[in-house]
Amino acid sequence: AQSVTQLDSHVSVSEGTPVLLRCNYSSSYSPSLFWYVQHPNKGLQLLLKYTSAATLVKGINGFEAEFKKSETSFHLTKPSAHMSDAAEYFCVFRTSGTYKYIFGTGTRLKVLA
Amino acid sequence: NAGVTQTPKFRVLKTGQSMTLLCAQDMNHEYMYWYRQDPGMGLRLIHYSVGEGTTAKGEVPDGYNVSRLKKQNFLLGLESAAPSQTSVYFCASSYQHLTSGLTGELFFGEGSRLTVL
Repeated sequence: AQSVTQLDSHVSVSEGTPVLLRCNYSSSYSPSLFWYVQHPNKGLQLLLKYTSAATLVKGINGFEAEFKKSETSFHLTKPSAHMSDAAEYFCVFRTSGTYKYIFGTGTRLKVLA
Repeated sequence: NAGVTQTPKFRVLKTGQSMTLLCAQDMNHEYMYWYRQDPGMGLRLIHYSVGEGTTAKGEVPDGYNVSRLKKQNFLLGLESAAPSQTSVYFCASSYQHLTSGLTGELFFGEGSRLTVL
């Protein structure tokens, strides 16, 4: 079965330190993978996407993610956290051959001053 | 450019009442989706549509109905609201790449917060 797992429900970092949000997927086919961010009481905004082109994907606000097929991972990173990065982040997997998207359960990022 | 617009943004219902949530997109996207978001459960697909006049069930369709009479609109109806339907509802749309034929990313509305008493 195709699925996506976010390994941490909560992550806390200090401002200025690196951010790592982990996502693993399960699929027999080449996936399309996305990271979305949701600020409180807002909709979801696309950070970046992987669709079988370059394995290192750069997104908005300094975020990037690397697709590693051997590890079935698509972890989100940022070199230096900012207070405005505090939000919930969702890893999303698009199922091959259908129009459906599968969401991870989310990782809430807290940035400490 | 409005993108995806949901109305209403907030609604309080009593058990057994009915209501309709409206989603409108101005990007000429083929695909539209309704999700519900509950704490700790991510987003779960209620219904979706791959084109005007077509709809399909997602993973949690019970208690909801949908219609897509026009390409730009996707309506979500609750015939008899229940407290378990208290949630935040998100509409999203996506497109198909002209060259690759692959489906692109989702574009989301701001959400509709529904409380059923």
